[in-house]
Amino acid sequence: AQKVTQAQTEISVVEKEDVTLDCVYETRDTTYYLFWYKQPPSGELVFLIRRNSFDEQNEISGRYSWNFQKSTSSFNFTITASQVVDSAVYFCALTNSGNTPLVFGKGTRLSVIA
Amino acid sequence: DAGVTQSPTHLIKTRGQQVTLRCSPKSGHDTVSWYQQALGQGPQFIFQYYEEEERQRGNFPDRFSGHQFPNYSSELNVNALLLGDSALYLCASSNLAGVTDTQYFGPGTRLTVL
Repeated sequence: AQKVTQAQTEISVVEKEDVTLDCVYETRDTTYYLFWYKQPPSGELVFLIRRNSFDEQNEISGRYSWNFQKSTSSFNFTITASQVVDSAVYFCALTNSGNTPLVFGKGTRLSVIA
Repeated sequence: DAGVTQSPTHLIKTRGQQVTLRCSPKSGHDTVSWYQQALGQGPQFIFQYYEEEERQRGNFPDRFSGHQFPNYSSELNVNALLLGDSALYLCASSNLAGVTDTQYFGPGTRLTVL
């Protein structure tokens, strides 16, 4: 069975601090896909990134960066120089195919204080 | 390019009633998945529709049913509502045959059962 664990329930940081959101996953599949979604108070899940299991290259997109390590089954998300607009619940998700059901973690609520 | 849309935004029902939620997928997408998100939890997969057929189903009772129309839009029906059905219902669309099959989510319908 697939499982995603986000051990951090809530994180609070002061604006401009860096913050890392942890994600640990479990799967028996050799091919799988990992995702991060952002859920602002409005409720919509906003897609941030998708990573394939055979591509361990880290990725940077502006202030966002992702560290994928198969050896530790982790896919961590770092926000550099956080901003108030980054305040949201962030979900890590796993699937063995893009169109099969996503298995979500319980989410991490990030509060960025001005 | 219109994203995933859902209606209504909010809904209040009483126990035992029936409810229908609607979803229009992102342009170019042919697959619709429905998720239930209870307060403080990650989304849980209900079912997925492709070519007007239920393709996959999560661990939800038969009270939950759906439909997909020729224009790829979809409905989620819940019969005999229980208090525990109160949740945010999210619709996600994707392209089953496409190279990029990431699931993109709508803003959700918040259902309250009294």
